[in-house]
Amino acid sequence: DIQMTQSPSSLSASVGDRVTITCQASQDISNYLNWYQQKPGKAPKLLIYDASNLETGVPSRFSGSGSGTDFTFTISSLQPEDIATYYCQQYDNLFTFGPGTKVDIK
Amino acid sequence: EVQLVESGGGLVQPGRSLRLSCAASGFTFDDYAMHWVRQAPGKGLEWVSGISWNSGSIGYADSVKGRFTISRDNAKNSLYLQMNSLRAEDTALYYCAKDHWVTVAGKGTRFDYWGQGTLVTVSS
Repeated sequence: DIQMTQSPSSLSASVGDRVTITCQASQDISNYLNWYQQKPGKAPKLLIYDASNLETGVPSRFSGSGSGTDFTFTISSLQPEDIATYYCQQYDNLFTFGPGTKVDIK
Repeated sequence: EVQLVESGGGLVQPGRSLRLSCAASGFTFDDYAMHWVRQAPGKGLEWVSGISWNSGSIGYADSVKGRFTISRDNAKNSLYLQMNSLRAEDTALYYCAKDHWVTVAGKGTRFDYWGQGTLVTVSS
C-alpha cells in the first residue's frame, strides 16, 4: 500500500501570504497526484490534477509541483475564502489521501 | 449541471447491513467511473471503492474488502454501495464522487465532482 504524508498538519497565515504545503508518497508515484480543498461542512473540491495541472475554474493563485515521491502545493497569495483543509491524493495504486493540512487566517 | 445526490444513510446496529445510493444527473453517467469516499467525524478522507463505466473493473479499500459491494445501474444513472457486517469504525459521511475517466485508477484519474454525502452511524 502507498502511504501519503503531509506537512504541516495545520498552519496560520496572513491574507496575502504565500502558503506552501508538502506531500510525500511512500514510493514513486510519478505525477499521479491530485490536490483537493475541503471547506468546513462542504464536500471536497478538486483543485490540481496530475501534480501540476489547474482544474478548470480554479483561481491561478493555486499551483502544484513535484514528481516521484515529493510534491508541493502553493497558494501564492492567501485569501479569506481559502480557509479550508487541503488533501493530496495518489492514484498510482488505487487511491490514498494524505491526512490533510488545515489552513487558517492569522 | 452535474449533480450527485446520496441517500440511504442512517443509524444501524453493528453487524447489520445498509445500502447507499447515489443518483447522478447532468452528465452521461455510463461514460465515467464512479467512487465512494468516506470521512469519519472530524477525520480525513478515505477512499472506499470504485467502479469503472461498465462495471468491468472494481476496487475496494482493504478496510471494507469482503464486506462492501459497489455496483451501478447505468440505465438508472445510479451508483450503489451495499454495506454488510457493519462496524463502529464504518461510521462516517459517505460521499459519491465522479471520476474524470472511464476506468478505475487510470492515468489522469481525478474526482471532479462530489455529492454532499450521506451519514452512516453504526452504533448499538
